Amino acid sequence: AQKVTQAQTEISVVEKEDVTLDCVYETRDTTYYLFWYKQPPSGELVFLIRRNSFDEQNEISGRYSWNFQKSTSSFNFTITASQVVDSAVYFCALDTTGTASKLTFGTGTRLQVTL
Amino acid sequence: DAEITQSPRHKITETGRQVTLACHQTWNHNNMFWYRQDLGHGLRLIHYSYGVQDTNKGEVSDGYSVSRSNTEDLPLTLESAASSQTSVYFCASSENPIYEQYFGPGTRLTVT
Repeated sequence: AQKVTQAQTEISVVEKEDVTLDCVYETRDTTYYLFWYKQPPSGELVFLIRRNSFDEQNEISGRYSWNFQKSTSSFNFTITASQVVDSAVYFCALDTTGTASKLTFGTGTRLQVTL
Repeated sequence: DAEITQSPRHKITETGRQVTLACHQTWNHNNMFWYRQDLGHGLRLIHYSYGVQDTNKGEVSDGYSVSRSNTEDLPLTLESAASSQTSVYFCASSENPIYEQYFGPGTRLTVT
């Protein structure tokens, strides 16, 4: 069975603070794909990143960075110098089939960035 | 610009009625998915399709059906709506199953 845990239900920060959203996954498969999606208040889900299990390099995209650690089964997401526009629900997801037929989402972390 | 749309955006229906939610994408993607989003559960896969005439059951398919007669559309039907099906429904499509999915704006369905 596969599982994604986002233990942080809600996080509040003040603008310009750095914030890390945790994602811990469980799977026995050696090949899998991890995703992060953002759901702003408008409701639609927006893709942020995809990472396969063979690529443990961390990735940085502007103020966003991702730390993938297979040893701890974690794929954490950090926002540097947060902004009000970062306020959203963030979902981590795991696909072990390569077909998206069992894409498992975490329950999401709501990030509130205030002035 | 290519997009994925859902209609209606909001729907209120009564228990026992048949309801169909529309999903239309202009990405020309073969892969399409339906999810429901509920508090405490994140998103859960209802049905998916890898191409015309192909449909598959997801994690929570009971009470739902889909059909795929063309590339652009994957309508979701609730055969006999139940209060437990009150949820927000998202349609998504992707070029390749392991790639990112593009999501529609969602349909909020209330079953009274």
